[in-house]
Amino acid sequence: EAGVTQFPSHSVIEKGQTVTLRCDPISGHDNLYWYRRVMGKEIKFLLHFVKESKQDESGMPNNRFLAERTGGTYSTLKVQPAELEDSGVYFCASSQVVTGTDTQYFGPGTRLTVL
Amino acid sequence: TQLLEQSPQFLSIQEGENLTVYCNSSSVFSSLQWYRQEPGEGPVLLVTVVTGGEVKKLKRLTFQFGDARKDSSLHITAAQPGDTGLYLCAGPRWTSGTYKYIFGTGTRLKVLA
Repeated sequence: EAGVTQFPSHSVIEKGQTVTLRCDPISGHDNLYWYRRVMGKEIKFLLHFVKESKQDESGMPNNRFLAERTGGTYSTLKVQPAELEDSGVYFCASSQVVTGTDTQYFGPGTRLTVL
Repeated sequence: TQLLEQSPQFLSIQEGENLTVYCNSSSVFSSLQWYRQEPGEGPVLLVTVVTGGEVKKLKRLTFQFGDARKDSSLHITAAQPGDTGLYLCAGPRWTSGTYKYIFGTGTRLKVLA
């Protein structure tokens, strides 16, 4: 069974540009999460999809970030326009259920560098 | 506010030594999870502890959940170079009708051959 995949693995853009990150969860996983880790800090929750619906987007930093999950399969996270502080590693994770003890399967992450 | 504090931040030891890393909080968690992350990969779940005082063993790794469910520890016996990685603890928080996970800052372990 394929794991969670993310594309691209690295992205280097200039301030003001737009970047779109993609996540393909494990097939059949209704729950999809986006997380971010900026250098020296902990992994922080951004948002949670259940199928195509946003269950919780309380972690999204501001309105420059837009996440979508059309059709309840893959998800995209767009940053427009990118700022220097958006640099970091963006992780996607998926799970079958949400119980508080469920297993989240993480992708390898996308390392975003904004110059 | 950092809800989960991990210590130490960095640890470099020789192969064969024992070590313990800690995950502490001032808040009660219904459960805590431990992950290991290797370079270029995402975190991989090692264990979930649910009951206060619970001890779980995974080969040379022993995980304990504090009686008050505010802290957890990970003990590695006879560390091997393959144990090298970033160890993260995480706990769920109920919000907006679902759980979201809070992560600690991590302990970066290097085991030297």
